[in-house]
Amino acid sequence: GAVVSQHPSRVICKSGTSVKIECRSLDFQATTMFWYRQFPKQSLMLMATSNEGSKATYEQGVEKDKFLINHASLTLSTLTVTSAHPEDSSFYICSARDRGRPVYGYTFGSGTRLTVV
Amino acid sequence: AQKVTQAQTEISVVEKEDVTLDCVYETRDTTYYLFWYKQPPSGELVFLIRRNSFDEQNEISGRYSWNFQKSTSSFNFTITASQVVDSAVYFCALSPSYNNNDMRFGAGTRLTVKP
Repeated sequence: GAVVSQHPSRVICKSGTSVKIECRSLDFQATTMFWYRQFPKQSLMLMATSNEGSKATYEQGVEKDKFLINHASLTLSTLTVTSAHPEDSSFYICSARDRGRPVYGYTFGSGTRLTVV
Repeated sequence: AQKVTQAQTEISVVEKEDVTLDCVYETRDTTYYLFWYKQPPSGELVFLIRRNSFDEQNEISGRYSWNFQKSTSSFNFTITASQVVDSAVYFCALSPSYNNNDMRFGAGTRLTVKP
């Protein structure tokens, strides 16, 4: 079945530094990838939608200069949290839609727990 | 506007009990998809089911069953003979058929199954 690999699974960084999170579709081509943020004991909130070869579409209230998304290939999207602050600490999870099965394909990565100290 | 409501924040049961997780949704779309995902403590989201709004047949998969009632806009999930491994947060989600990008999640229900 479809597999999405997300790395790193956990990262701790100092305030003011940047962190890059990778989301890879391992056995399918993903024209569209999604980035979610989940605060403790809360639901997933869509941050942005990235389409291969074009600019990401951000949800209202999400700072695009802070959360840089790059979708350079059909199998890789990256989320970079720039100048991270403690309030950016959260669980970030990506999902990818299978190009070959657009109606079915929402495969989620295993998530990245970011802690900014 | 789309909205998914999971009114049960937390449920605790004893192993072997049956448990139903409620999901009520709101949408103006005539066609849409409903989903259930399981999020164990490790964090990943595990796909459980996708239901097309045209298909109101109930579905059973092992100990899992789903009851889709379009008339009441509900898509409830029942676990029969619950097991400790069922302990997780369960999310109900909704997306319009024409735009799978717009997936909205409910707040989730944390299920704890005690031995």
